[in-house]
Amino acid sequence: DAKTTQPPSMDCAEGRAANLPCNHSTISGNEYVYWYRQIHSQGPQYIIHGLKNNETNEMASLIITEDRKSSTLILPHATLRDTAVYYCIVRVRGGSEKLVFGKGTKLTVNP
Amino acid sequence: KAGVTQTPRYLIKTRGQQVTLSCSPISGHRSVSWYQQTPGQGLQFLFEYFSETQRNKGNFPGRFSGRQFSNSRSEMNVSTLELGDSALYLCASSPQGNAETQYFGPGTRLLVL
Repeated sequence: DAKTTQPPSMDCAEGRAANLPCNHSTISGNEYVYWYRQIHSQGPQYIIHGLKNNETNEMASLIITEDRKSSTLILPHATLRDTAVYYCIVRVRGGSEKLVFGKGTKLTVNP
Repeated sequence: KAGVTQTPRYLIKTRGQQVTLSCSPISGHRSVSWYQQTPGQGLQFLFEYFSETQRNKGNFPGRFSGRQFSNSRSEMNVSTLELGDSALYLCASSPQGNAETQYFGPGTRLLVL
């Protein structure tokens, strides 16, 4: 699986949008971008995934650049409960079940 | 649907003992993966089971083993525990094990004294 690069930490004010970037410059054409988050001492929670089109669900939006070398996870109205470590992962669907986690971005939402 | 469940949630063992952790996947999910999370190494893949067969294995010593039952429930075993085995052990399930979305359980926190 390709590697990803994320900033180690970010801050966001409660109620504002949180934009978390991820670089995946060596992504292959058949690799999807997945986002998970992990609230302290809990299991990682799936957020969203995409291949090349922008995606939106009830939790977040995923914006993937046209060259697919980077993406941004957007939490439109961050709350204190969104404070967590966010992981960006690229993987081939239909390939190994193994998820390769990096260090992620620690997002702190401030009141 | 109920989510992935793991038992026990917390466990304290001493060096040299062995431990068995249990994971019940989401109903209908046939693939179960195990991960170890420590402050130093982060989240690392242990192994994956599908239809009672181990399909993938991470870079862990043979003291770490697992199995899967016909109802897709899985157990992992760690023998001859070491202090460094203290970690959060996470289980994740997916429907067919074709690298679809994995859903994680709350984890079992193991402390080895």
